[in-house]
Amino acid sequence: KQEVTQIPAALSVPEGENLVLNCSFTDSAIYNLQWFRQDPGKGLTSLLLIQSSQREQTSGRLNASLDKSSGRSTLYIAASQPGDSATYLCAVIDNDMRFGAGTRLTVKP
Amino acid sequence: KAGVTQTPRYLIKTRGQQVTLSCSPISGHRSVSWYQQTPGQGLQFLFEYFSETQRNKGNFPGRFSGRQFSNSRSEMNVSTLELGDSALYLCASSPGGSGASKRAQYFGPGTRLLVL
Repeated sequence: KQEVTQIPAALSVPEGENLVLNCSFTDSAIYNLQWFRQDPGKGLTSLLLIQSSQREQTSGRLNASLDKSSGRSTLYIAASQPGDSATYLCAVIDNDMRFGAGTRLTVKP
Repeated sequence: KAGVTQTPRYLIKTRGQQVTLSCSPISGHRSVSWYQQTPGQGLQFLFEYFSETQRNKGNFPGRFSGRQFSNSRSEMNVSTLELGDSALYLCASSPGGSGASKRAQYFGPGTRLLVL
């Protein structure tokens, strides 16, 4: 059974810092890994999708990497801003979609 | 393209009642998945429908059921509501079919259900 773990559970940084969020999974037989952002009480916004054949994807200040063999993905956020404050979820897609518990990020002005 | 829409956005029910939630996927998407999100359990997969057939199912009791129509719209039904069913119910659509790119999921805003 696929298990997805995100570390840390919460992170607080000052504005302007670069930061890394971690996601690990137990079964490397995946189709995709997808990173989402969730604001309080809202749905999920897709940030980046990495297909199993890819090693990284970039969108603006975000960069996500995938290492299937070690069961790890990282989300790198450059030059963080207060508007980046949210919960970040990674999800592994095989026959269904399994989510980590998320990392709650707070970026302080 | 319009995104995934869910109705209603908020709902209050009492124990023992039943509820039906609706999800309209992105145009052209054939797969719809449902998730339950609670503070204690996080996001949990309920089921996925593809071309009107349930393709995958999570570990939820039979009180949770769903269906998909020929236009890919989906409904989820919960019968005999319990207090623990209070949650944010999220629907996600994807193109479906084979291939990794077909499985990327796009979420709706959710329906927040409160059971009293």
